[in-house]
Amino acid sequence: DSGVTQTPKHLITATGQRVTLRCSPRSGDLSVYWYQQSLDQGLQFLIQYYNGEERAKGNILERFSAQQFPDLHSELNLSSLELGDSALYFCASSVNREVGVTNEAFFGQGTRLTVV
Amino acid sequence: GENVEQHPSTLSVQEGDSAVIKCTYSDSASNYFPWYKQELGKGPQLIIDIRSNVGEKKDQRIAVTLNKTAKHFSLHITETQPEDSAVYFCAAPRSNDYKLSFGAGTTVTVRA
Repeated sequence: DSGVTQTPKHLITATGQRVTLRCSPRSGDLSVYWYQQSLDQGLQFLIQYYNGEERAKGNILERFSAQQFPDLHSELNLSSLELGDSALYFCASSVNREVGVTNEAFFGQGTRLTVV
Repeated sequence: GENVEQHPSTLSVQEGDSAVIKCTYSDSASNYFPWYKQELGKGPQLIIDIRSNVGEKKDQRIAVTLNKTAKHFSLHITETQPEDSAVYFCAAPRSNDYKLSFGAGTTVTVRA
């Protein structure tokens, strides 16, 4: 168990709908990363938050957004869903307290999103 | 930004043999290089990492080597076992914002 909790584990929804994925980081971790993994694909970085603020952005679609709350949990919002958005969505967390020092990142078990 | 390339994409080895996966990175200021193992239906699990102040790190049957001059690092698995079958990812952070960029992954199959 990595200590990172993602809910829900599975989600099936229709095209055009909106969903929210939730991530609780490990206790004490300030950074939260979101990744998308499509079938037979690698881990595509979407977005990173650090202590409530957006830190880095990857190839995240405009239909997607995220936020990190004061208690450090994070939510990834996916709207106007398309069939191609079906994928595994992973959250990872890391301490990253010291500038210039990258700490270990631990992944949750993921949310499997199926858009039908 | 950081660009990480990983080879090979698939690797099949006989049980007991060694497996080697190589990655190259582009950001010369990167200073942390983790390796993750992902089993079917699970999230990536950190198995070993190395920082730029060391050249090699070993943990039982797995080891990672780093060549900062050439900007590449490798994962070595010795005495492979069927439970080593999984997808392995390397990663490297950008030096300014800790964004972890991942390689495309290597599917390792250990034949019994």
